[in-house]
Amino acid sequence: EAQVTQNPRYLITVTGKKLTVTCSQNMNHEYMSWYRQDPGLGLRQIYYSMNVEVTDKGDVPEGYKVSRKEKRNFPLILESPSPNQTSLYFCASSFQIAGVKTGELFFGEGSRLTVL
Amino acid sequence: SQQGEEDPQALSIQEGENATMNCSYKTSINNLQWYRQNSGRGLVHLILIRSNEREKHSGRLRVTLDTSKKSSSLLITASRAADTASYFCATARNYGGSQGNLIFGKGTKLSVKP
Repeated sequence: EAQVTQNPRYLITVTGKKLTVTCSQNMNHEYMSWYRQDPGLGLRQIYYSMNVEVTDKGDVPEGYKVSRKEKRNFPLILESPSPNQTSLYFCASSFQIAGVKTGELFFGEGSRLTVL
Repeated sequence: SQQGEEDPQALSIQEGENATMNCSYKTSINNLQWYRQNSGRGLVHLILIRSNEREKHSGRLRVTLDTSKKSSSLLITASRAADTASYFCATARNYGGSQGNLIFGKGTKLSVKP
C-alpha cells in the first residue's frame, strides 16, 4: 500500500531535549516536504527536498534541521525544542515531472508535538 | 511567504446546497491543486489543474482556473454533511527560485449542516 509514515504520532517532550520525527515513503517519490499546522495559520512549510541530498528552506525553517540521504526518508530534527515548536507536523511526498513539476502530494497522518 | 490565499476563511451551508471556495495566488504557476483535511488528519488530494487548463471536473467537484486573474475556484455541488472539512489550495511556481515547490494557503473551513 502506497503510504507516507511518520513517527512518533504523538510526543510530549521538554525544552532542549533533542528529538527527531521520522518520515518514510514507499512510492519512490523525488519530492518530500515538512509542514507545521497551527490554528489560524494554515500549513506553513518548514523544509523541502527535490531529491536526494537536495534540501531547501521553506517559510519557517528556524529551529529545525533536515537531511535527505536516501530517497525514501526525510527526517525532521529539532536540536533544542522550544515551546513555540508545539504544533501538528505533516510530512508529504510527491513524484516530479522533469524535475520541476510537482504532482499530487501524499501526506502522512501527522505528528502532534508538545514541548513543555 | 504564502502563495495561495483561500476565501472565505469559513463557510457554513445546508446539506444539498452548493459550496464555492476561491483561491488567489501571486506568481506564475505550472499547476494548482486542491486538498481536503478532516479535523486533525492528513490532507487528501482532490484535484489538480494544469496552467493550460481552464476547468476540470471530478464527481461533485468542479475546479476552474483563471491565470489572467491568478485565481481558482472549487465548487462542491449538492453538498453532504460528510463534506464538512477544511479545504486548501496549493500552488507550484513555474520558474525562478523554489520552482516546483508546493505552497499552501490557510484554507477554508466548510461546515455542512444536515
